[in-house]
Amino acid sequence: NAGVTQTPKFRVLKTGQSMTLLCAQDMNHEYMYWYRQDPGMGLRLIHYSVGEGTTAKGEVPDGYNVSRLKKQNFLLGLESAAPSQTSVYFCASSYFGASLTDTQYFGPGTRLTVL
Amino acid sequence: GENVEQHPSTLSVQEGDSAVIKCTYSDSASNYFPWYKQELGKRPQLIIDIRSNVGEKKDQRIAVTLNKTAKHFSLHITETQPEDSAVYFCAASSGGSNYKLTFGKGTLLTVNP
Repeated sequence: NAGVTQTPKFRVLKTGQSMTLLCAQDMNHEYMYWYRQDPGMGLRLIHYSVGEGTTAKGEVPDGYNVSRLKKQNFLLGLESAAPSQTSVYFCASSYFGASLTDTQYFGPGTRLTVL
Repeated sequence: GENVEQHPSTLSVQEGDSAVIKCTYSDSASNYFPWYKQELGKRPQLIIDIRSNVGEKKDQRIAVTLNKTAKHFSLHITETQPEDSAVYFCAASSGGSNYKLTFGKGTLLTVNP
């Protein structure tokens, strides 16, 4: 049981390049999330998904796209990277239903630098 | 939307002392309040959470209190140890759901031996 995993762990991009971050979870969770973490800013929600085939915007969605084609995977795409997207990106997942724990389990993070 | 304020941003205590971190939230519909601990270079991990139907919850040296009327909740760590040094984040459920969270900006706790 690996929990939540993220690929890659580190990446350096040049302005204008594109890339996709992959998040995978093996806990059969319905909900999945992408956050970015910047110094002094806490964790800010980029996009989230409440189930396979669904996505929704979070607090800071501009410049990012997401897809949830399979229940266990949640992809975050940067079509044209900008220096402002330099950050640590965390994926998380949680159970469905208020009667169960709503704990969000986080992946190990991806450190992205855009030059 | 939900807004979560967290104070202080940094906190330094001596080993064995208590530490208190406070958060306020804006959405009266929020009903789930988790606390996460993040060690340097690691992922955030849940340490304790509380729901709106209780006022206090304890787990060994950690406790959380909730005042729904005042819309604030606090994390209390007693008998602090050097391994408690980390960044702590509070969060509140937002958008009328339990699954979407708004996080505070974090508190860097340093426990000095």
